[in-house]
Amino acid sequence: LAKTTQPISMDSYEGQEVNITCSHNNIATNDYITWYQQFPSQGPRFIIQGYKTKVTNEVASLFIPADRKSSTLSLPRVSLSDTAVYYCLVGDMDSNYQLIWGAGTKLIIKP
Amino acid sequence: GAVVSQHPSRVICKSGTSVKIECRSLDFQATTMFWYRQFPKQSLMLMATSNEGSKATYEQGVEKDKFLINHASLTLSTLTVTSAHPEDSSFYICSATLLRTAPNTEAFFGQGTRLTVV
Repeated sequence: LAKTTQPISMDSYEGQEVNITCSHNNIATNDYITWYQQFPSQGPRFIIQGYKTKVTNEVASLFIPADRKSSTLSLPRVSLSDTAVYYCLVGDMDSNYQLIWGAGTKLIIKP
Repeated sequence: GAVVSQHPSRVICKSGTSVKIECRSLDFQATTMFWYRQFPKQSLMLMATSNEGSKATYEQGVEKDKFLINHASLTLSTLTVTSAHPEDSSFYICSATLLRTAPNTEAFFGQGTRLTVV
């Protein structure tokens, strides 16, 4: 199972675009990249998932370069409520989708 | 999206007693559920993988006799912390995977259970 590396923390301001990059140098061919958001004392919430290139949904975009050794979660126009811990995970769909959690990135949004 | 319900959300118990935590997939069948533990300001740590109708697979260092997992149906898995001690106080989270055609497989998480052993 691939290991991921993310910045421990980041600060930004309301209305800004925030990009969080994750390294996963040992990602396997069958691995997908998934990002979760977690608020204190709550279970993680799915944000976005991708395999390569760019994926966009109503809350975020995910950029994955051709070598797939990293990925960048982009949150457009953040608000105070986006303050949370963001986890980047890689997992093989065929192996019960077992997830190994890294430390995550604590994102603090300031007014 | 799919919903995973975890109950109770918080529990306080006396040292030496047992506590059962339920995890239900409300609108889908989950052949596999996962149990995690999270200490303050730390990441989730996978404790065990629970497969319906079979024994759970525990991660290294997790005592299977202390953390009893039962996955009797496709929608319910339970975690029982037996003879709880203060060091078992933690945030316990379950998840279930909804397998769809890739790349849309998602893991859905319960709300978590805050266990405090006094």
